[in-house]
Amino acid sequence: NAGVTQTPKFRVLKTGQSMTLLCAQDMNHEYMYWYRQDPGMGLRLIHYSVGEGTTAKGEVPDGYNVSRLKKQNFLLGLESAAPSQTSVYFCASSLVLGGETQYFGPGTRLLVL
Amino acid sequence: DAKTTQPTSMDCAEGRAANLPCNHSTISGNEYVYWYRQIHSQGPQYIIHGLKNNETNEMASLIITEDRKSSTLILPHATLRDTAVYYCIGLRRGSQGNLIFGKGTKLSVKP
Repeated sequence: NAGVTQTPKFRVLKTGQSMTLLCAQDMNHEYMYWYRQDPGMGLRLIHYSVGEGTTAKGEVPDGYNVSRLKKQNFLLGLESAAPSQTSVYFCASSLVLGGETQYFGPGTRLLVL
Repeated sequence: DAKTTQPTSMDCAEGRAANLPCNHSTISGNEYVYWYRQIHSQGPQYIIHGLKNNETNEMASLIITEDRKSSTLILPHATLRDTAVYYCIGLRRGSQGNLIFGKGTKLSVKP
C-alpha cells in the first residue's frame, strides 16, 4: 500500500495563477483532510470531507476550494494564488472522523511569488 | 476541544527515556488525548492515544494522571530518529471537530 500520496511535491506559482493539488489514498478511508503549515506553526485545517461527494470548511478555508468526486481522491484548488498561500500543504485520511490515526501524506511545498 | 500546553523544546540523550509532558486542565470527560509527531519536512505521524488508562504500544507509552489534567508521553529508549516535534491534542473521538495542532514540543535527541 502506498498510503497517502500527494502531487506535486513542489510548485512555484505567480500571483493570480491557479492550480490543483491532488491527494490520493488507497486505504479505503471515508474521511480526508487538507491542512496547511506555515513556518514555525502547527497545522491548520483548510477543508475536510466525510465521504465521496461531501466537503466541509475547516479553520482557514478562504481562498481554497475542494472536491471529492472519488472516495480515494481529494483535490485542493487555488483559483487565484496569493503570496499568503505560500505554505506546505498536507493531506490526511482517517477511518474515524476527527481523531485517531490520521495518516498524512508527504506534503506539497507551494511558493507563490 | 481541550486546550493543551506543552514545553517549547526538550533535549534527551540517545538511549535514555524521553518524557514529554502535556497539560490539558480543561479536558472534558469524553475527550481523548492524542499524540502525534512530525519529523522534519515530513507529514505528522500518529503515536498513541488514551482516555484515562495508561496506554502502551510499540512506539511509546502514555501516562495520564488520575484527574486527567495532564499526561506524559514516554519514549523508552530515544534514538536520533526520534528527533521531531511532538504534538499533544485533546479531542472527542468521532467528533465533528478536528485535530488542532499547536506548536508542540521540539524534542532533540543528542548522541
